Amino acid sequence: DAKTTQPTSMDCAEGRAANLPCNHSTISGNEYVYWYRQIHSQGPQYIIHGLKNNETNEMASLIITEDRKSSTLILPHATLRDTAVYYCIVRVEGWPNSNSGYALNFGKGTSLLVTP
Amino acid sequence: ETGVTQSPTHLIKTRGQQVTLRCSSQSGHNTVSWYQQALGQGPQFIFQYYREEENGRGNFPPRFSGLQFPNYSSELNVNALELDDSALYLCASSLDPGAAGNTIYFGEGSWLTVV
Repeated sequence: DAKTTQPTSMDCAEGRAANLPCNHSTISGNEYVYWYRQIHSQGPQYIIHGLKNNETNEMASLIITEDRKSSTLILPHATLRDTAVYYCIVRVEGWPNSNSGYALNFGKGTSLLVTP
Repeated sequence: ETGVTQSPTHLIKTRGQQVTLRCSSQSGHNTVSWYQQALGQGPQFIFQYYREEENGRGNFPPRFSGLQFPNYSSELNVNALELDDSALYLCASSLDPGAAGNTIYFGEGSWLTVV
């Protein structure tokens, strides 16, 4: 089962910041949080990932709470092309039957609609 | 552009047949994972290959099998196709699986329809 909880859907006005929340209350100390987005019929697009510090790149910012039980993805100036399903994922280390493997445990994500 | 390429992009198979899907990982990435995404669902982990060995497996039956080659490219094979195998099959590549926190890139996927 997915280790994250996200709202099913969100709306955002074009040009405004989109703040996408994610709860991961059972996260372990060495597990990273990854964010991907997926536009219909395409492969997931990597956005950003982090462990415990806030991260920023050219696409977005990731704010992780001090207790690491939740995080927020921020798209600073949303555009119509940011309309997509956004997945918050906890990377699971040591997948069953493996000492060194990992897996991305996807949930159902948040469907973000950016409106003009 | 992630550098992860998959083929074919679309294919149609008949129930009971076998299918092979292919993935070329990003240059230098020695770890390849396969995911199945049914319509309206998030991707589900099938298995992972690292240095030509299966390195972890999700809850998929043995008729889902794979290979990784010395150049790190990979194949996903599905035998005895069932209608429920209709899905988008995604390949993801990364560097060493033990390096937690490395970036993981997905390909555009292969759409499989079983009729």
